[in-house]
Amino acid sequence: GQNIDQPTEMTATEGAIVQINCTYQTSGFNGLFWYQQHAGEAPTFLSYNVLDGLEEKGRFSSFLSRSKGYSYLLLKELQMKDSASYLCAVMDSNYQLIWGAGTKLIIKP
Amino acid sequence: DAMVIQNPRYQVTQFGKPVTLSCSQTLNHNVMYWYQQKSSQAPKLLFHYYDKDFNNEADTPDNFQSRRPNTSFCFLDIRSPGLGDAAMYLCATSTLAGGPNEQFFGPGTRLTVL
Repeated sequence: GQNIDQPTEMTATEGAIVQINCTYQTSGFNGLFWYQQHAGEAPTFLSYNVLDGLEEKGRFSSFLSRSKGYSYLLLKELQMKDSASYLCAVMDSNYQLIWGAGTKLIIKP
Repeated sequence: DAMVIQNPRYQVTQFGKPVTLSCSQTLNHNVMYWYQQKSSQAPKLLFHYYDKDFNNEADTPDNFQSRRPNTSFCFLDIRSPGLGDAAMYLCATSTLAGGPNEQFFGPGTRLTVL
């Protein structure tokens, strides 16, 4: 079956760095996405990786290793507004997104 | 601004009373999706349309139907809502024209079943 695993919840301090991991097993691979979802709102796109390596976008970076079925999202200089759920999703061979359940990130002052 | 719009944002219905949720987009994307998301869970794909080609997920209950009369609009009909259908319903669009093909989401409709 297809499976996306990510931690349920993480806590970090304002101004610090946090890494959210995601492992996946899917039928085919056409890219990995990270989305941010604030409580009661829709997911918003953060990043996309299809080749191995690191993609950097401001305070957020995303890493992919296809051979290991592994990705992480790195958030630097954490701000209180970064408190949200972060969802990892993989596009499979049918171009459908397989979603993880999300990691709830709690930022403390 | 190009966007995905969902109406209403909040919908209350009674057990067994049919309800229709609507989605429109100004992105001119050829693919539209309906997801159901319950608290602290992953979005669950119900249907998607590639242009007018309708694709029903195998485990989507018959109680859920969908219509896409044109490129811009898509509707989700719940024929006889049960208490277990209370959830956030998300509409998303994408284009499979190359590139990341990320999905753009509307704000969602939160459905309450009394």
